[in-house]
Formats: sequence, structure tokens, C-alpha cells
Amino acid sequence: EVQLVESGGGLVQPGRSLRLSCAASGFIFDNYAMHWVRQAPGKGLEWVSSISWNSDTMRYADSVKGRITISRDNAKNSLDLQMNSLRTEDTAFYYCAKDGGGSGAYPYFFDYWGQGTLVTVSS
Amino acid sequence: QSVLTQPPSVSAAPGQKVTISCSGSSSNIGNDYVSWYQQLPGTAPKLLIYDNDKRPSGIPDRFSGSKSGTSATLGITGLQTGDEADYYCGTWDRSLSAWVFGGGTKVTVL
Repeated sequence: EVQLVESGGGLVQPGRSLRLSCAASGFIFDNYAMHWVRQAPGKGLEWVSSISWNSDTMRYADSVKGRITISRDNAKNSLDLQMNSLRTEDTAFYYCAKDGGGSGAYPYFFDYWGQGTLVTVSS
Repeated sequence: QSVLTQPPSVSAAPGQKVTISCSGSSSNIGNDYVSWYQQLPGTAPKLLIYDNDKRPSGIPDRFSGSKSGTSATLGITGLQTGDEADYYCGTWDRSLSAWVFGGGTKVTVL
């Protein structure tokens, strides 16, 4: 059974940093690209970032480019999201998602999602 | 303002059918596969349809997808109270070099 478990969310002040993690199990992690998708409370889904199976390619939404770094450790079956210079508009649930079939950082579709971790940016 | 346009809400009585449209452009829907996601209240999104019209294992055939040109449609037949959720379409946009979602459609069973 595929499982994705996010952690690391919490309350943080504007301008500070936070690192999210996603622990993956139930599939061959290094066969798939992985992604982060966020959802502000009461709002729609927003793609944040993607990483290829071998970390060769990373992609970012314009809204987070330069402030967020995606990374993965295939030996530990883990996916991370380092978020710097956080803004109030970064407040959202952050979901880790597995790619549906591709190994590159071009999202094919998202076939499994974690339960999400809430990041609140507020003073 | 989402790149993909969905109606904010649709509704129908139990047992009836609803369709949800997802309108895009040649840089997204017109040139790539569309997937659909269901988000029940308070839960994470779940894949419903991929490659425009394919259902993952475990998704009932009451759910269907189609695509024509720069638009896609999700259909739900035999509507059940358990189908009350938000539904999102999504695809890759070649001009933006970004994955884009529709704004979401809330399905209400009357």
C-alpha cells in the first residue's frame, strides 16, 4: 500500500524558514518523480514544485521560485521542501504527491497524495 | 484567476447525472492529458481520472472523463450523497512550464 506522510508544518513568522518532509513507502521510490501541491485554507489546489527520480531536474511555480528548494533522498525514501523567506500568502496545507507514471520532473498526474501538513505564516 | 476554468458549483438530485467542464487553451488541455481529482470535505485530494478518460483501479464507472479540443469534461452518473466534494481538473501548461489546476467545482447532491 502506497503511503505518503508529511511532517514539519507549523506556525512561523514572516521571513523565517521551514523544512517540510515526506516519508514514502509501498512503492519503488526512485522510479518516480515526486511533487508538492498546496492548498490555502478554503481555496483551490496550487502546484508548488516537482523533482525527477534522480534529482536531475527540479521545477517550481513562479510564486515560490527563488524561495523554495525541493530535494529527495532515494536511500531514505524521503522528499523534502525547504521554504525560505516565508510570506503570509504561503499559508496552506502542503501535500506530497507521487507521480502517476513519469520519472521526469514534468508532472504526468498525481496518483497518490499524503494527508497534508499545515504551514501557517503569521506574526 | 485559474488558467483552467471550471464552474464554481453544480448540483443534482440523488441518482441523477452531473457534468463538470474544464476549459483551457492550446498550451494546456489542447496539447496534453487531463486528470481529475476528488476532494471530500476535510481530506486530501484523490485521483479520479487520468489520461483524459482512464479510471484508476477502484474508481467506479459512474465517473467518466472526456476531452475535446481545449476542453475536458468529468461526468458523474447515479449521483450519491457520498459524491459531495470538490472536483479539480489539471494538466501541464507548456507556455507557463507549470502544472495548472482548475479553480474547482463543488458538487452538491440535493
